[in-house]
Amino acid sequence: KQEVTQIPAALSVPEGENLVLNCSFTDSAIYNLQWFRQDPGKGLTSLLLIQSSQREQTSGRLNASLDKSSGRSTLYIAASQPGDSATYLCAVFSGGYNKLIFGAGTRLAVHP
Amino acid sequence: DTGVSQDPRHKITKRGQNVTFRCDPISEHNRLYWYRQTLGQGPEFLTYFQNEAQLEKSRLLSDRFSAERPKGSFSTLEIQRTEQGDSAMYLCASSWRRGSGETQYFGPGTRLLVL
Repeated sequence: KQEVTQIPAALSVPEGENLVLNCSFTDSAIYNLQWFRQDPGKGLTSLLLIQSSQREQTSGRLNASLDKSSGRSTLYIAASQPGDSATYLCAVFSGGYNKLIFGAGTRLAVHP
Repeated sequence: DTGVSQDPRHKITKRGQNVTFRCDPISEHNRLYWYRQTLGQGPEFLTYFQNEAQLEKSRLLSDRFSAERPKGSFSTLEIQRTEQGDSAMYLCASSWRRGSGETQYFGPGTRLLVL
């Protein structure tokens, strides 16, 4: 059974810090991994998608890496800003499950 | 706008009432998913359709829940005899499945509160 864990559950940092969010999954047979952002009471916004054959993806100040063999992914946020405050969710997709399986998220607060 | 849309965005109902939610996927997408998210948790899979066929249902989907996707276009999720435990955000996502792997695009969700 695929399980996804995100650490830490919550994080509070001052503006400008570089930070790393961690995601681990138990079954390495995945097709891809997605990182999402969710603002309070809102839907999910896809940030980055990494195919199983890729090692990393970058978008602006965000960089996501994938180590499929060890079942880990990290989301790196450079020069954090108060507007980055949100919950960040990691999800894996594998054919055997035909669905996204999510972690519980990391709640990020960036204070001025 | 060609994104996924959901209606209504918010629903307050009394225990025992029936509610129905609608999801309009991105038009060319052949897969449609429903997820449920409770406070402080990640979304959990409920069911999905490929075109009009419902291919999988989670054990979370009790007999009070039913979903349809007539003609492989929009989808509805109905909850009969609502219970307070049904209070959650219901999220819809769509994708184009071709070969292995896919990217799911999510709608804004319907927040349900059962009093």
